[in-house]
Amino acid sequence: GAVVSQHPSWVICKSGTSVKIECRSLDFQATTMFWYRQFPKQSLMLMATSNEGSKATYEQGVEKDKFLINHASLTLSTLTVTSAHPEDSSFYICSAIRDIQETQYFGPGTRLLV
Amino acid sequence: SQELEQSPQSLIVQEGKNLTINCTSSKTLYGLYWYKQKYGEGLIFLMMLQKGGEEKSHEKITAKLDEKKQQSSLHITASQPSHAGIYLCGADSTGTASKLTFGTGTRLQVTL
Repeated sequence: GAVVSQHPSWVICKSGTSVKIECRSLDFQATTMFWYRQFPKQSLMLMATSNEGSKATYEQGVEKDKFLINHASLTLSTLTVTSAHPEDSSFYICSAIRDIQETQYFGPGTRLLV
Repeated sequence: SQELEQSPQSLIVQEGKNLTINCTSSKTLYGLYWYKQKYGEGLIFLMMLQKGGEEKSHEKITAKLDEKKQQSSLHITASQPSHAGIYLCGADSTGTASKLTFGTGTRLQVTL
């Protein structure tokens, strides 16, 4: 159990357009979901924490108006990169927890190329 | 903020050899998580350690958390090509796994 999926797995878009990435917990209800960004040969950097039905909590330095997060249900969170630019090109990974005492379960990631 | 340092940054070992990866925290750990990542893919959960002195094993991988809960090691016995990847340690500074800080990663290659 504890499978997390992401869609799409990769996306290429033109500069200035918006891109939506979906994160789904397939076999459990996720109390909290997280969005990370990973640049080549670097570790994961937490962007925001998302709880169902409430506003996401963004980490320092992450623009909430640029990276819109919607957590409409216990199994789905979406990250929209608005007005994407080449510097937004990265590997975006989501994770979810089903119980506060458990580990985070990660999705396979979405590679964005602007 | 909590910082995690992993060593070595990269490692090349011959198949069948043992290896150890270390993860050192600047603060006391509530929990320490080990993950494996293949290039361009998500993270696969390996093990979680919470108690000082705790040791867990799964197949040929053993992870330990020291008594002071500021350092963890991941040991692979008789490495195989399937062990190749990036190993990341994640630190829980709140006791709830709700906010993990990740180390810089250790890239492991296993040669035949």
